[in-house]
Amino acid sequence: EAGVAQSPRYKIIEKRQSVAFWCNPISGHATLYWYQQILGQGPKLLIQFQNNGVVDDSQLPKDRFSAERLKGVDSTLKIQPAKLEDSAVYLCASRQSRDRAGEQFFGPGTRLTVL
Amino acid sequence: AQSVTQLGSHVSVSEGALVLLRCNYSSSVPPYLFWYVQYPNQGLQLLLKYTTGATLVKGINGFEAEFKKSETSFHLTKPSAHMSDAAEYFCAVTGGGAQKLVFGQGTRLTINP
Repeated sequence: EAGVAQSPRYKIIEKRQSVAFWCNPISGHATLYWYQQILGQGPKLLIQFQNNGVVDDSQLPKDRFSAERLKGVDSTLKIQPAKLEDSAVYLCASRQSRDRAGEQFFGPGTRLTVL
Repeated sequence: AQSVTQLGSHVSVSEGALVLLRCNYSSSVPPYLFWYVQYPNQGLQLLLKYTTGATLVKGINGFEAEFKKSETSFHLTKPSAHMSDAAEYFCAVTGGGAQKLVFGQGTRLTINP
């Protein structure tokens, strides 16, 4: 079974530029998460989708971050314009069910450096 | 709201020695608790989880953890460290109707030969 795929793996941009990350979850997984992991910290949830609907985006900086999950499969996370403090690893995870005991499967992440 | 505190951002042990990584949580509802491992340039992998039932849970790679409600702790242990255990370890909690994981800040485990 293929895991969670993310691209690109690395991205370097100048501040005020825009950037987009892509995630393809495990086939059949209805729940999809985007996390931000700043160096030296644990992952922090940005947004959670259930199929193509948003369940929780309370910690998403909506003035610059946006995310979508069209057709309830792939997802894209965008930052526009980027700030220096957005430098982090962006992790995508998916889960088969809404059961909170269910395992979340993580992708390898996209490492963003904002100069 | 839930929160997690991992005591010690960096733990170093000798190969063959006991591994003990500490995690304390805060939750106003019965928690579900998780330990994840992250190897360099990789995503997180689930080691073990506690939901209900037996308080001592066993995971992959010889790790286990014990849920102690009275101490609000979920410490991770392994009797004998191996060089391949070197990685970052994260404790996480979820509770109530929430489905999101709240992570601790992580503990980097180094194994000395």
